[in-house]
Amino acid sequence: EPEVTQTPSHQVTQMGQEVILRCVPISNHLYFYWYRQILGQKVEFLVSFYNNEISEKSEIFDDQFSVERPDGSNFTLKIRSTKLEDSAMYFCASIKGELAGINEQFFGPGTRLTVL
Amino acid sequence: GNSVTQMEGPVTLSEEAFLTINCTYTATGYPSLFWYVQYPGEGLQLLLKATKADDKGSNKGFEATYRKETTSFHLEKGSVQVSDSAVYFCALVPGGGGYQKVTFGTGTKLQVIP
Repeated sequence: EPEVTQTPSHQVTQMGQEVILRCVPISNHLYFYWYRQILGQKVEFLVSFYNNEISEKSEIFDDQFSVERPDGSNFTLKIRSTKLEDSAMYFCASIKGELAGINEQFFGPGTRLTVL
Repeated sequence: GNSVTQMEGPVTLSEEAFLTINCTYTATGYPSLFWYVQYPGEGLQLLLKATKADDKGSNKGFEATYRKETTSFHLEKGSVQVSDSAVYFCALVPGGGGYQKVTFGTGTKLQVIP
């Protein structure tokens, strides 16, 4: 069964460093998302991406964040200068984007980011 | 805006006990409703879903019914097992298009003891 994959599973970085979290969505999916979950808290939406541009972003997704689909398979989240409060589990998700019916979002296993 | 409210956890039950995790939502129109499960150290898995009023989603012995009149989507299981120990998230996607963001509740941790 096709699945969303994410790398790395755990990333440790120093405050102020740049990190890139990588995701490979399911191959025929068209809509891509990043969410984050600070330890013990709810899962929060960060950004959605369609047709090579951001379709929606939350207040959390400030200028320090960017997303890119550099090729036909990868979808990346970059944090330019990490802060301690960026420590969280980051989930990538994708959906097929059919016009009819409900599109289930398929989530990856997550990348745990620890900022020291 | 859209929101989901879940009962606070943790919920601790003995094996074979009956489980209910309450979930209510606020949304305009007709959202689709979901329960996701997160096992320790793992990602989010879709447990069940319902797309319209009075629909019942079910999977692995879990059930939830979409109640528009009470804006609720409570999760139930007749007999829990130790392997059901996990965090359960109620969630919604707004109506009018299936590619919108998911709004999650805060999650309810379930611990089942032998």
